[in-house]
Amino acid sequence: DAGVIQSPRHEVTEMGQEVTLRCKPISGHNSLFWYRQTMMRGLELLIYFNNNVPIDDSGMPEDRFSAKMPNASFSTLKIQPSEPRDSAVYFCASSGAGHTRTEAFFGQGTRLTVV
Amino acid sequence: KQEVTQIPAALSVPEGENLVLNCSFTDSAIYNLQWFRQDPGKGLTSLLLIQSSQREQTSGRLNASLDKSSGRSTLYIAASQPGDSATYLCAVASGSARQLTFGSGTQLTVLP
Repeated sequence: DAGVIQSPRHEVTEMGQEVTLRCKPISGHNSLFWYRQTMMRGLELLIYFNNNVPIDDSGMPEDRFSAKMPNASFSTLKIQPSEPRDSAVYFCASSGAGHTRTEAFFGQGTRLTVV
Repeated sequence: KQEVTQIPAALSVPEGENLVLNCSFTDSAIYNLQWFRQDPGKGLTSLLLIQSSQREQTSGRLNASLDKSSGRSTLYIAASQPGDSATYLCAVASGSARQLTFGSGTQLTVLP
C-alpha cells in the first residue's frame, strides 16, 4: 500500500480564497483523522471520521472549516474563506479501528500558506 | 482534558550514546500510547505502539515503556546514530473520540 496520500503537498493562496485539501486513507482503514500542526500549538486534532461518518468535529476552529468523507477512500478539508492565521501543515491520518488498538499512519502533510 | 508533556525539548548527544526521551500524560485512562518520528518538512512515522495493557515494546534499537498508573512513558534509543536525528513525538489515545493528544516533541541531534 502507498500509505496515506495527501494533495497538494504545498499550497499558497491569497487571503479570502477557498482552499481544498485532499486525503486518500490506507485501503481497509475505517477511521480517518485531520490534524493541524503549527509551531505555537503543535499537533491538534480537527475532525475524526469513522466509517465515513464525522464523529467529533470539536477541534474545527471555525465555521470557515469544513470536512467531508463521501466514501471510504477519499476525504476533503475545506477552508472558505482562508485567512493568514490558517497557515500551517495539515496532516491526514488513518487507522484500522480508531486509535484504540491499531497504529495511526500519517500522510506527508499539506503545507498551507495564506498570504 | 488530556495533556502530554515531553522532556527535554531538545537533546544533543555524540554518536554511540544510549539515550532516554521522556513523556508524561495527565489522564491515565488511555487506550494506547504511540511514539512517532518526524523529520524536518516531513510527515510522522510511527515507531512504536504500546497498548494500555502492555508495559513495553521493542523495535530494533528502540524500546518504549509505559507506566499507565503514573502517567509516564520513556523511549530508549540504544547506540544512537546521526540518522536518528529528528523530532520524536509522543501521543496518547484517550477520550470519547479516542483521539491522539500529542506532546510538543523532543528535537534530537546525534553528532557524528
